[in-house]
Amino acid sequence: AQSVTQPDIHITVSEGASLELRCNYSYGATPYLFWYVQSPGQGLQLLLKYFSGDTLVQGIKGFEAEFKRSQSSFNLRKPSVHWSDAAEYFCAVGARGNTGKLIFGQGTTLQVKP
Amino acid sequence: DTAVSQTPKYLVTQMGNDKSIKCEQNLGHDTMYWYKQDSKKFLKIMFSYNNKELIINETVPNRFSPKSPDKAHLNLHINSLELGDSAVYFCASSLASGRPADEQFFGPGTRLTVL
Repeated sequence: AQSVTQPDIHITVSEGASLELRCNYSYGATPYLFWYVQSPGQGLQLLLKYFSGDTLVQGIKGFEAEFKRSQSSFNLRKPSVHWSDAAEYFCAVGARGNTGKLIFGQGTTLQVKP
Repeated sequence: DTAVSQTPKYLVTQMGNDKSIKCEQNLGHDTMYWYKQDSKKFLKIMFSYNNKELIINETVPNRFSPKSPDKAHLNLHINSLELGDSAVYFCASSLASGRPADEQFFGPGTRLTVL
């Protein structure tokens, strides 16, 4: 069955430090992969997505993610974190069947220390 | 503003009541979704409609009934509310079904509390 695992439930980084959020997926073919961010009390906003081509994808707000098929991973990175990046981050995979169904990981809460 | 909007933002009600949550998108999208986010922030799809036609119907109690009067609206009606229905419900939309790479645009959520 398709699934997404985000191993880190909670991460704390200092402002200005680099960030990497891990995501592993289980899927039998080339997946459609997404990272969404949820700010407190808000809906989800797409940061970036991968579905083909260059395995390093750039997103909004200075985020990037790298698709590694051999590791079944799609980790999110940012070189320098800002206090406004504190939020919940969700990795998701598009389910088979072209229905638009997304399967989400359990999320990673990012806290940013001043 | 172009967006996905939901009403109400907060809903507090007693067990056994019937309630509805409304969702509207003015993005011109064909496909709309309902997601449930539980207290551990886990997000799971419940339903999706494409141009008023039901596409996804996950294993949810039949107390939950989506209704799409037109492709810009997808409402969620819940009968006989139970404590376990307490959650945040998100509506989302995307350009069309059959396009799994399309971005989904999410509404701000409706926090339902069942007492």
